[in-house]
Amino acid sequence: GAVVSQHPSRVICKSGTSVKIECRSLDFQATTMFWYRQFPKQSLMLMATSNEGSKATYEQGVEKDKFLINHASLTLSTLTVTSAHPEDSSFYICSARRQGGAFFGQGTRLTVV
Amino acid sequence: GQQLNQSPQSMFIQEGEDVSMNCTSSSIFNTWLWYKQDPGEGPVLLIALYKAGELTSNGRLTAQFGITRKDSFLNISASIPSDVGIYFCAGLTGNAGKSTFGDGTTLTVKP
Repeated sequence: GAVVSQHPSRVICKSGTSVKIECRSLDFQATTMFWYRQFPKQSLMLMATSNEGSKATYEQGVEKDKFLINHASLTLSTLTVTSAHPEDSSFYICSARRQGGAFFGQGTRLTVV
Repeated sequence: GQQLNQSPQSMFIQEGEDVSMNCTSSSIFNTWLWYKQDPGEGPVLLIALYKAGELTSNGRLTAQFGITRKDSFLNISASIPSDVGIYFCAGLTGNAGKSTFGDGTTLTVKP
């Protein structure tokens, strides 16, 4: 069964609004989670590393004020897309490491209209 | 930064045929992972490899961790229509957990 749960799976929002995406590790504690963005027919692009109890580490070119990450507990990380614009429309996926490998959530399809 | 070269980019095969795809890198990885992604879904872990030379099977899937730790392959035997999807390799170094992904292999299986 799934070990990482992501919610919501789909969201449509108006331009200028903010959207929060949740990523939960279901049966293990994850001090580190990862947020990816995926464009159609492309590979996963790492956006940031979410660290429990401390600031996230962002990859080069990713705006930290645009993509707010909070990792308040050992089982939950959230990604908030602030003041969303149509170009932020994409598939966002989180993952967490556990013994046995890195496991992914189901992904969130964000559409900004 | 680290890069993975995954090939082939796409494959069109007949049901029942075997499939082989691979990933190579100029960097050494401690762990190799293979994923399958269906449209609109997150990647699902198929096989994890932890030691150089390791050969691991999961049903009709077999993957190997190259001796040099710079490559890995995935084989699918006797393909079926539900094997359709995008397959990604990923390499991990250390305990930081950050994964480097290949560009994916899109598999199409014709009944």
